[in-house]
Amino acid sequence: NAGVTQTPKFQVLKTGQSMTLQCAQDMNHEYMSWYRQDPGMGLRLIHYSVGAGITDQGEVPNGYNVSRSTTEDFPLRLLSAAPSQTSVYFCASSIQGANEKLFFGSGTQLSVL
Amino acid sequence: GENVGLHLPTLSVQEGDNSIINCAYSNSASDYFIWYKQESGKGPQFIIDIRSNMDKRQGQRVTVLLNKTVKHLSLQIAATQPGDSAVYFCAEKSRRTAGNKLTFGGGTRVLVKP
Repeated sequence: NAGVTQTPKFQVLKTGQSMTLQCAQDMNHEYMSWYRQDPGMGLRLIHYSVGAGITDQGEVPNGYNVSRSTTEDFPLRLLSAAPSQTSVYFCASSIQGANEKLFFGSGTQLSVL
Repeated sequence: GENVGLHLPTLSVQEGDNSIINCAYSNSASDYFIWYKQESGKGPQFIIDIRSNMDKRQGQRVTVLLNKTVKHLSLQIAATQPGDSAVYFCAEKSRRTAGNKLTFGGGTRVLVKP
């Protein structure tokens, strides 16, 4: 199993550009989520999904869209990138349940100029 | 991620000594707690978890202690090794939270001195 795979690892955007961060998992996990990590602020939840066709907002959803057409994939789209979206982005997945540990990808470091 | 580590509290520990990393939480409804380890350039990796009906849980070289009275969680690492150098995050979840959404603390950097 590859686990949770994120691409790209690094990306530089100009303000106003759009892009999609890819996330795929091969563990047949129902639950998938996106976090952003900023210095001194831990990880903050952007969006999450409890299964194919179902998505919901997390703590900091503005400026991001997600979709879940398959169990395996959960892409994160930046519609119009802003410098405030410079961050490290992590995708995570787990078995669906009340208390299940999350498995994280290795992250995408995004810089918006 | 490479920008993890700025403004983080840091714990320096001698190799072979025990490490204690502390975490405070504020939500009295939290009923599930988890510790993650994050090495430079990598995603967080699960270490150990504990439910609110317990006050102690042990793993391999790690122990988590939960004090619900003062809303405090700690991670103890026995015989700290150079490979333990990383940023450690606590996370919690409330029984009132739908799905599997975890709320993370700001992290503590552990530096192991040889």
